[in-house]
Amino acid sequence: SYDLTQPPSVSVSPGQTARITCSGDTLPEHYAHWYQQRPGQAPILVIYKDTERPSGIPERFSGSSSGTTVTLTISGVQAEDEADYYCQSTDINDSHYVVFGGGTKLTVL
Amino acid sequence: QVTLRESGPALVQPTQTLTLTCTFSGFSLKTSGMCVSWIRQPPGKALEWLALIDWDEDKFYSTSLKSRLTISMDTSKNQVVLTVTNMDPVDTATYFCARMTTNGPAAFDIWGQGTVISVSS
Repeated sequence: SYDLTQPPSVSVSPGQTARITCSGDTLPEHYAHWYQQRPGQAPILVIYKDTERPSGIPERFSGSSSGTTVTLTISGVQAEDEADYYCQSTDINDSHYVVFGGGTKLTVL
Repeated sequence: QVTLRESGPALVQPTQTLTLTCTFSGFSLKTSGMCVSWIRQPPGKALEWLALIDWDEDKFYSTSLKSRLTISMDTSKNQVVLTVTNMDPVDTATYFCARMTTNGPAAFDIWGQGTVISVSS
């Protein structure tokens, strides 16, 4: 089991909006970050501190937070967005300890 | 340009100790706020955080693996080393190192490409 809960899979058609949720008791207290991982590649940071987008990440990637749930939204999904997405935060009791969600497979139909 | 590169033996026998090296460039681990972490991913499974070392040489370990892990740094060589004792086939995974800047994104903003470690006799 994971301290952060993600749906195993999300499917959308090209051009639609994909929403991937991540839930956990630590999230009201600590920031969440999102990573994209394509097959055979290392993860890439796509959202940090709940809502911030690193330079070079397309504007269609956005993040939001509400209570114990954070959401990664991909607007106008493209075929290249098909990947695994992981949320990450820190332990509810000690911010030095890192926790990952179980990952969500985004399929572009 | 910030880069990290993992190295280690591709194959380890059960009960042996694994030593992994993360060689980085483009930043100093002695700079306030800088951290390097090890994260692993078994085949077809999720990311699992293992350990973190910060600019002050403070060390933090996964609770479930703490007894088997040791993280250290050699700033003269720009390296972070992770040892994992008593390796088991369930430890077969891709092992990544990644940078975190606590006074920046506070997330793992740069990752190495990973090194695949298999545990088998």
